Amino acid sequence: SQTIHQWPATLVQPVGSPLSLECTVEGTSNPNLYWYRQAAGRGLQLLFYSVGIGQISSEVPQNLSASRPQDRQFILSSKKLLLSDSGFYLCAWSVPAPGLGNQPQHFGDGTRLSIL
Amino acid sequence: GENVEQHPSTLSVQEGDSAVIKCTYSDSASNYFPWYKQELGKRPQLIIDIRSNVGEKKDQRIAVTLNKTAKHFSLHITETQPEDSAVYFCAASGRGSYIPTFGRGTSLIVHP
Repeated sequence: SQTIHQWPATLVQPVGSPLSLECTVEGTSNPNLYWYRQAAGRGLQLLFYSVGIGQISSEVPQNLSASRPQDRQFILSSKKLLLSDSGFYLCAWSVPAPGLGNQPQHFGDGTRLSIL
Repeated sequence: GENVEQHPSTLSVQEGDSAVIKCTYSDSASNYFPWYKQELGKRPQLIIDIRSNVGEKKDQRIAVTLNKTAKHFSLHITETQPEDSAVYFCAASGRGSYIPTFGRGTSLIVHP
């Protein structure tokens, strides 16, 4: 069966420090991968998505970046964190199923990021 | 692009009552409509979904209905229980689009 791993679960970082969050998926090949951010009590904001290795699309201009160095690995990074980067970061994957219709997203457990 | 409106933003019910959450979408090409439940501090989890070729789908106490003409779909929870308390998100996506558009969420509170 497919599983998604996301770490760390909690992170406290000072303003201006770098960031690296990692997500890996097991049990499937060539998944669609996504990074979302969720502010406290708010909805899901799509940050990045990827349909293949090295293919990254950005939805919102920001000081964050994403990379997909391997088929089932998705990394969210920042060179200098801002206070506004605080939030709950969720990685998700879905099965690309051409001809079978859209498929649901499966979310990781999330990383709660606090910027001090 | 697609726009999904979700109402109400907060819903408070007594245990045993029914709860209904409604979403409307703008793109008539959307054909896949999942619902996610997010408990406090946890990840969103798929609870039910419906495709545009059916009008209703049930799974025990939850059901989803779809009205393609009116471009709206609803989540129905019967015999609510305190463990149903969570934030519920609807979403819509079109054929060939792997980017769903989410509603803003509904906070459901079930009072024992």
